[in-house]
Amino acid sequence: GENVEQHPSTLSVQEGDSAVIKCTYSDSASNYFPWYKQELGKRPQLIIDIRSNVGEKKDQRIAVTLNKTAKHFSLHITETQPEDSAVYFCAASISYKLSFGAGTTVTVRA
Amino acid sequence: DGGITQSPKYLFRKEGQNVTLSCEQNLNHDAMYWYRQDPGQGLRLIYYSQIVNDFQKGDIAEGYSVSREKKESFPLTVTSAQKNPTAFYLCASSRTGDQPQHFGDGTRLSIL
Repeated sequence: GENVEQHPSTLSVQEGDSAVIKCTYSDSASNYFPWYKQELGKRPQLIIDIRSNVGEKKDQRIAVTLNKTAKHFSLHITETQPEDSAVYFCAASISYKLSFGAGTTVTVRA
Repeated sequence: DGGITQSPKYLFRKEGQNVTLSCEQNLNHDAMYWYRQDPGQGLRLIYYSQIVNDFQKGDIAEGYSVSREKKESFPLTVTSAQKNPTAFYLCASSRTGDQPQHFGDGTRLSIL
């Protein structure tokens, strides 16, 4: 099955700086890559996603890039704010099944 | 998402007992999913259903069972065969299998 690796596992940034989380996947047939944000004890919430026919997608302060050749995709958060502090998960979809990375705990320091 | 309701929020299981977690959605979504989340780990797929009366095993189906008799409902039973059931269980749904998944609030299962 699909194997998704996510780095780093923890990330601490100064408020206003950028945060970058990277994921790699193993199966070149994966064609859909969502990112979820999960606050402590709450449900994961979809923040952005990208399909394999697109290289980059942006939504306000959040952007995702996809490199199909290298089989990796990244989440970029600019101008970080305290409310960006959470656990972020990447995922890759093959045959309608999502495989998740282990998560990155992001802490934004005021 | 307000359209996906999981109950109960907390559940306790005794040794040898089967327990059932409820998941209901009013979004008219065809696909539904069950995930397990352990501390410090990502979500792992237990079972999924693309359409009523059909479901498939995910990556960690052993010790679990599901049914999909109605489009809006996808209950998960944690059987006594699941020796380490303590975890946070999340239900999700999507319009179709290749559309974004949206999650319920989860059920936290513990052993008595």
